[in-house]
Amino acid sequence: DVKVTQSSRYLVKRTGEKVFLECVQDMDHENMFWYRQDPGLGLRLIYFSYDVKMKEKGDIPEGYSVSREKKERFSLILESASTNQTSMYLCATTGGRAQYFGPGTRLLVL
Amino acid sequence: AQSVTQPDIHITVSEGASLELRCNYSYGATPYLFWYVQSPGQGLQLLLKYFSGDTLVQGIKGFEAEFKRSQSSFNLRKPSVHWSDAAEYFCAVGRESSASKIIFGSGTRLSIRP
Repeated sequence: DVKVTQSSRYLVKRTGEKVFLECVQDMDHENMFWYRQDPGLGLRLIYFSYDVKMKEKGDIPEGYSVSREKKERFSLILESASTNQTSMYLCATTGGRAQYFGPGTRLLVL
Repeated sequence: AQSVTQPDIHITVSEGASLELRCNYSYGATPYLFWYVQSPGQGLQLLLKYFSGDTLVQGIKGFEAEFKRSQSSFNLRKPSVHWSDAAEYFCAVGRESSASKIIFGSGTRLSIRP
């Protein structure tokens, strides 16, 4: 089975803080994704990585950056957290064209 | 542009009754289609996928979906629901620009009446 883990289930941060969300997969997949999920809006793609050190903007990249130094690890960075970044963040990896998700990180920015 | 529509925001079904969740998509070529389920506070779990071939697809947990090209639909069905099926269900379609990217519908929340 594909296993995708996320470093935290819940996070509380203050406005202006730099926030790191970590995602690790154990299947040697090349493609990894970060989404945010908000009620009524479904899942929206923030960033996508198709190889180590390679990244591509998704639909809503503003206010976010990413890092992929190793194949198994894909980090999402909020350079200066804002209250409108309070959300559920989901990491995924691709296997056989389907995406497999981690458990999610619920982030609250105060 | 590609899109996925789930017209029902919330559905309530009695335990043991049959279920059908609707999904319509907009896509130029033969689509890759998926259904995912999300339990409260959890990530998404893949229920089933359609790439080509038989238009009736079997998935996990007793779910199936039928691809109907003429109706641009990929509805999810289950003959008899269990209380543990209460969750949010997402339909998704693969993007034309990149086979590994997916567009998700806004979800249908399923409640089960005892």
